[in-house]
Amino acid sequence: EAQVTQNPRYLITVTGKKLTVTCSQNMNHEYMSWYRQDPGLGLRQIYYSMNVEVTDKGDVPEGYKVSRKEKRNFPLILESPSPNQTSLYFCASSADKNTEAFFGQGTRLTVV
Amino acid sequence: KNQVEQSPQSLIILEGKNCTLQCNYTVSPFSNLRWYKQDTGRGPVSLTIMTFSENTKSNGRYTATLDADTKQSSLHITASQLSDSASYICVVSAPHGGYQKVTFGTGTKLQVIP
Repeated sequence: EAQVTQNPRYLITVTGKKLTVTCSQNMNHEYMSWYRQDPGLGLRQIYYSMNVEVTDKGDVPEGYKVSRKEKRNFPLILESPSPNQTSLYFCASSADKNTEAFFGQGTRLTVV
Repeated sequence: KNQVEQSPQSLIILEGKNCTLQCNYTVSPFSNLRWYKQDTGRGPVSLTIMTFSENTKSNGRYTATLDADTKQSSLHITASQLSDSASYICVVSAPHGGYQKVTFGTGTKLQVIP
């Protein structure tokens, strides 16, 4: 089954404690992205990757890092989480620019 | 100001009725426009994708239209079902270097009641 898998689904952490949210896709897609979704703001792109070792900033990259060492995985790293990073996070992948994007199930992060 | 505006913000309709959701965008240039359905607490799921040369695309009871001249799109849902209750998100893509910059609307929350 084609899917994008995120882990964990839920996470509560404390300010400043480094964390990683994993994302893996089994469709051999080149494009992968991370988004955050906040009430009233819609989804906003954090980072994206066009292929292995190729990443770039989206609209709200501050406080986040990503890596793309292999095609299937695109982890999101919060080196020093802060309460304003409390949000619902989605990873997505697509084969190319004009095909549908497949989204993961989401990770609800709370930073206290 | 968001470059993708959706209306209405929320909508309640009776099961079996039709409805139309609107999306106006100012993003330019334009590559494609997508409609997604997002159930509460779940990831968005693609319904339709249209490039600027397409003016209609159907997926079952969902029909999307696009007017690239007026920068407007609509999503028509026919014979609504309780399972159609969800948020519907319009997404516009624009070329940005070798990639596509995506701009999301804030969605229309649809509730279908018996």
